[in-house]
Amino acid sequence: DTGVSQNPRHKITKRGQNVTFRCDPISEHNRLYWYRQTLGQGPEFLTYFQNEAQLEKSRLLSDRFSAERPKGSFSTLEIQRTEQGDSAMYLCASSWDSLKQYFGPGTRLTVT
Amino acid sequence: GQQVMQIPQYQHVQEGEDFTTYCNSSTTLSNIQWYKQRPGGHPVFLIQLVKSGEVKKQKRLTFQFGEAKKNSSLHITATQTTDVGTYFCAGPGNYGGSQGNLIFGKGTKLSVKP
Repeated sequence: DTGVSQNPRHKITKRGQNVTFRCDPISEHNRLYWYRQTLGQGPEFLTYFQNEAQLEKSRLLSDRFSAERPKGSFSTLEIQRTEQGDSAMYLCASSWDSLKQYFGPGTRLTVT
Repeated sequence: GQQVMQIPQYQHVQEGEDFTTYCNSSTTLSNIQWYKQRPGGHPVFLIQLVKSGEVKKQKRLTFQFGEAKKNSSLHITATQTTDVGTYFCAGPGNYGGSQGNLIFGKGTKLSVKP
């Protein structure tokens, strides 16, 4: 069990550019979640997958955000035409069904 | 929409003092989870409470789930510098009825003065 890994750990991009983050969950976990966390706030739900199916998306997730989990293993989160307000820590978590969630170290995005 | 609120937002204590953080939900929860996030780290699961009125202990940490399953508390006895971090409570969300996500409170940031 190597835990949840996320890449890259840090990303600096210019406004208007597209960025893609990757999450590798714990191998036997069927659920994968994406959250966003800004300073002084708790993690904010974005979307989650059960196996390869994307079951829920937050109303906060604009059309510029898209997530995939093509084979039910790793997942990618893409943000198109980034805005300064997208600057945050993007956290991935995985779990077996609805049990406790294991979080990865996060990808810190800075949009300049 | 569904909200989870935590108080206080910050707590500064002297090492050895006790600490309590409170969590309140706008809706009845099927369960509540607590996470700890160290400075610069990511949330780490501490415990899940499921039953009404449930009390669970982990060494110096005591977790309670209210009778109405709308509130919870975390109490730390005799804090140590290793307890520093932000403590979050989280309840299952209800997006589309699947309860797949967690709704986190804003957390209580604990600092401990040696």
